[in-house]
Order: sequence, then structure tokens, then C-alpha cells
Amino acid sequence: NAGVTQTPKFQVLKTGQSMTLQCAQDMNHNSMYWYRQDPGMGLRLIYYSASEGTTDKGEVPNGYNVSRLNKREFSLRLESAAPSQTSVYFCASRNRDRGHEQYFGPGTRLTVT
Amino acid sequence: SQQGEEDPQALSIQEGENATMNCSYKTSINNLQWYRQNSGRGLVHLILIRSNEREKHSGRLRVTLDTSKKSSSLLITASRAADTASYFCATAGAETSYDKVIFGPGTSLSVIP
Repeated sequence: NAGVTQTPKFQVLKTGQSMTLQCAQDMNHNSMYWYRQDPGMGLRLIYYSASEGTTDKGEVPNGYNVSRLNKREFSLRLESAAPSQTSVYFCASRNRDRGHEQYFGPGTRLTVT
Repeated sequence: SQQGEEDPQALSIQEGENATMNCSYKTSINNLQWYRQNSGRGLVHLILIRSNEREKHSGRLRVTLDTSKKSSSLLITASRAADTASYFCATAGAETSYDKVIFGPGTSLSVIP
């Protein structure tokens, strides 16, 4: 099992450009999450999806959109990137019915110039 | 907001000493979890404690939870250089907020050989 995979690993964008961060999990988990982590800080929840077909806002949703494409995949879109969105983005998944811990992907390091 | 503070922000100890980190939160929770992160990599789950539990052990880890004070502590006994990492607590809300998992700002632990 690959666990949680994220693409790309690194990305540099210019202000105003758009992009989609991809996340997939092969553990048959029902819940998926997107977090951002700024240097020296904790993780802040952007959006989450409790189950296929549902998405909810987290702590810092402005400037982002998400799509729960199917049970495996949860994408995060930046429509018009801003320098304030420079961060490391982590995707996570969780089986809400059997365990409570989250499994994290390796992260996407995004720089917006 | 569901999450509060962690203290200390940074902790430096000698190998063999015990390390204690504290976490506070603001709302009712279903469970509280502790994670470790090495050098900006993905987070790894350490231990979970449910809202009806007061203490839990796993190897050299001991977690306590005081729901009346909305606080938790993580104790690492007989620390090793390999324990050097950032440690984060995360809360899963109660009832309708169960899927909303929020992280604290973290404690950076340095264990000096």
C-alpha cells in the first residue's frame, strides 16, 4: 500500500496563476483533509471531507476550493495564487469508523512569487 | 476555535531526561491525539486518548487528559536523541464536529546527546 500520495512535491507559481494539488489514498478511508503549514508553525485545516460527496470548510478556507472526486481522491485548487499561500500543504486521511488517527502524505511545497 | 495553545513552544533537554509538553483546547472533544513531525515531513500518529479516559501509556509515552481544564499533557520518559522533533496535539470535536480535526501550534523538542 502506498498510503497517502500527493502530487506535485514542489511547485513554484506566479501571483495570479492557478493550480490543483492532488491527493489520493489507498486505505479505503472515508475522511480526507487538507492542511497548510507555514514555517515554524502548526497545521491549519483548510477543508475536509467526512465522506465521499461531502466537503466542509476548516479554519482557513479563503482562496481555496476542493473536490472530493471519489472515495480515493481529494484535490485542492488555488484559483488565483497569492504570496500569502506560500506554504507546505499536507493531505491526510482517516477511517472515521474504525480508528481515529490520521495518515499523512509527504506534503507539497508551494512557493508563490 | 477548537484548539488553544501548546507549551512550551520549544524545549531542550539532555538525553535520558523526561520531556513534558502541554496542550489546551477550547471546545468539547471526542478525542485528543498527539503527533510527531521530523524536519517538515509528514506527521506520524503517536497516541490517542478519548474524552472518557484520563491517562494512557504507549511505550515511553504517557498522555493525560483533564476535560474539566480542557488540557492534556504528553510525557516522554528517558528521552533519546532520536526523539528530537516537533510534537503536535490535535482534537476531534464532539458530536457534529467529530470530523473536524484541529492541530495546535506544536512544541519543538531538542534532545541533546
